[in-house]
Amino acid sequence: GDSVTQMEGPVTLSEEAFLTINCTYTATGYPSLFWYVQYPGEGLQLLLKATKADDKGSNKGFEATYRKETTSFHLEKGSVQVSDSAVYFCALRPRPNTGNQFYFGTGTSLTVIP
Amino acid sequence: GAVVSQHPSRVICKSGTSVKIECRSLDFQATTMFWYRQFPKQSLMLMATSNEGSKATYEQGVEKDKFLINHASLTLSTLTVTSAHPEDSSFYICSAGTGAGYTFGSGTRLTVV
Repeated sequence: GDSVTQMEGPVTLSEEAFLTINCTYTATGYPSLFWYVQYPGEGLQLLLKATKADDKGSNKGFEATYRKETTSFHLEKGSVQVSDSAVYFCALRPRPNTGNQFYFGTGTSLTVIP
Repeated sequence: GAVVSQHPSRVICKSGTSVKIECRSLDFQATTMFWYRQFPKQSLMLMATSNEGSKATYEQGVEKDKFLINHASLTLSTLTVTSAHPEDSSFYICSAGTGAGYTFGSGTRLTVV
């Protein structure tokens, strides 16, 4: 079945450090891939997405490239800020999609220290 | 943008009692709402899909008599955990949307003592 495997946390980085959170997936067909972020006390927010192979999603300095050959969608940011401290979820939405549901990774908690 | 309000954010209840969690779409009408559950250090797992005006569709292994879902209007879905037990302690989160996009609530941390 479809699933997402995400790098376990927690991750602690100093401000301006480089961030990578690994995400690999298993799916039949051609899923859409997403990164969601959950700031403390808030709901999940869509950070970025990619809908086909080699697409690069980007937002707020974060990037992730849909790699079909390695079934990966790693999240990267060149210089993290304290305000990036949150939990990050990798997710996929299968295609063809019969239920509009998502499959999520376990979430990776990121803490950025000044 | 689309906003989903989930209430309460935290609840502690005694074993054997029932707890109701609300999920409201504040500025849009949601034809479909999803309920997820997250065990510690595990993925979000879909529990059920709720379509307005019809019975919810439960995922395999989810007890429909224990987790009652009601989607009576296009802006409100409720999840009631009946006769709660400590093993029901978990993080529950809803998402609402129309197929074009989905927005998640802030989640509910349920602790059954």
